[in-house]
Amino acid sequence: GAGVSQSPSNKVTEKGKDVELRCDPISGHTALYWYRQSLGQGLEFLIYFQGNSAPDKSGLPSDRFSAERTGGSVSTLTIQRTQQEDSAVYLCASSLNAYEQYFGPGTRLTVT
Amino acid sequence: DQQVKQNSPSLSVQEGRISILNCDYTNSMFDYFLWYKKYPAEGPTFLISISSIKDKNEDGRFTVFLNKSAKHLSLHIVPSQPGDSAVYFCAITDLNGSYKLIFGSGTRLLVRP
Repeated sequence: GAGVSQSPSNKVTEKGKDVELRCDPISGHTALYWYRQSLGQGLEFLIYFQGNSAPDKSGLPSDRFSAERTGGSVSTLTIQRTQQEDSAVYLCASSLNAYEQYFGPGTRLTVT
Repeated sequence: DQQVKQNSPSLSVQEGRISILNCDYTNSMFDYFLWYKKYPAEGPTFLISISSIKDKNEDGRFTVFLNKSAKHLSLHIVPSQPGDSAVYFCAITDLNGSYKLIFGSGTRLLVRP
């Protein structure tokens, strides 16, 4: 069955460049979340989309981070002017209810 | 300030014995608690959960215990199997907002054959 997919799986970029990370949620899941996991840390919430409601952006660490969800399905997380502290695994999850979130394999971002 | 703490970064257990993973939280307003399991290079997968109205939930070899007065959550795995070796994250959420999960830093479990 189709789970949550993310692309690319790995991304190496130079400091100062912009990057786009993509998430394809499970079909029919109305909720979509972005988290990131820095080395040795737990997962940190970034942003949440639910249907046509305004997204909860309370976890975005700076205005260099933004995300969109088009047509209630695919989402793109954009990081502008990347910094070395942005290096992390970025995880996307989707959910049909509040209780279980299904995670993708993540995108490992390395900023050199 | 960490709202969810997993104070043991690692745990090693013999196959067949019990594994006990612990988690503490600070905010008594949270009402739903989950455990996720993560293998290398994969996203976390949901394992088991418990609502704040219960103190125990069991699913096969996995049991989660909730002590609300102590703000403490634990996951028991018995009997432990080598395939259980992974990083285990506890997570909490409240059901009145975005349902975003607040994760602990994880405990790496190694089950020795």
